[in-house]
Amino acid sequence: GPKVLQIPSHQIIDMGQMVTLNCDPVSNHLYFYWYKQILGQQMEFLVNFYNGKVMEKSKLFKDQFSVERPDGSYFTLKIQPTALEDSAVYFCASSPGRRSGNTLYFGEGSRLIVV
Amino acid sequence: GDSVTQTEGQVALSEEDFLTIHCNYSASGYPALFWYVQYPGEGPQFLFRASRDKEKGSSRGFEATYDKGTTSFHLRKASVQESDSAVYYCALGAPSSNTNKVVFGTGTRLQVLP
Repeated sequence: GPKVLQIPSHQIIDMGQMVTLNCDPVSNHLYFYWYKQILGQQMEFLVNFYNGKVMEKSKLFKDQFSVERPDGSYFTLKIQPTALEDSAVYFCASSPGRRSGNTLYFGEGSRLIVV
Repeated sequence: GDSVTQTEGQVALSEEDFLTIHCNYSASGYPALFWYVQYPGEGPQFLFRASRDKEKGSSRGFEATYDKGTTSFHLRKASVQESDSAVYYCALGAPSSNTNKVVFGTGTRLQVLP
């Protein structure tokens, strides 16, 4: 099936530092998403992004979080500064179209450990 | 708001047993409903979806039927295999959202014993 690539797969970072998680979505997809998953827990929606803009974000998407996709390159999630509670696996997903409920295709995740 | 409820946190079965994982939703209108499967160390993989009342989705021997009357989309498989051990997520394409938001249930961990 369609592939979403995420870089890095793992990162350990000191609390207070900045981290950027990169996502290469499926090539013709239009909507992009970030989800957060703490070990053994459910997938929690963070944000979605379309046409260069944030469409919707959850309460988990703190002020320290930002997303962008400059010039059609990677779709990035930046956390600055990081906090201990940001430790989780972050999944990027993309979907092809506009209609509500379009199928999401996920990457393998970026495991972030904040120490 | 729009939500999905999966009542079973964990299910343990033997090979060739029949599987049912319950999923109920709360949303206005006709949300799209999905099942995803997540294997250890991987991202969720799309299994199938349904968008209309009485529509059946299916893949890899799994199936679910959209039931607006009972607001359910229960996952079933007639005969499970050890390789089906994974976490299964029911999800909903939020119709109250015009932003293509997809909401996931809490997941059900399936363990199939040989």
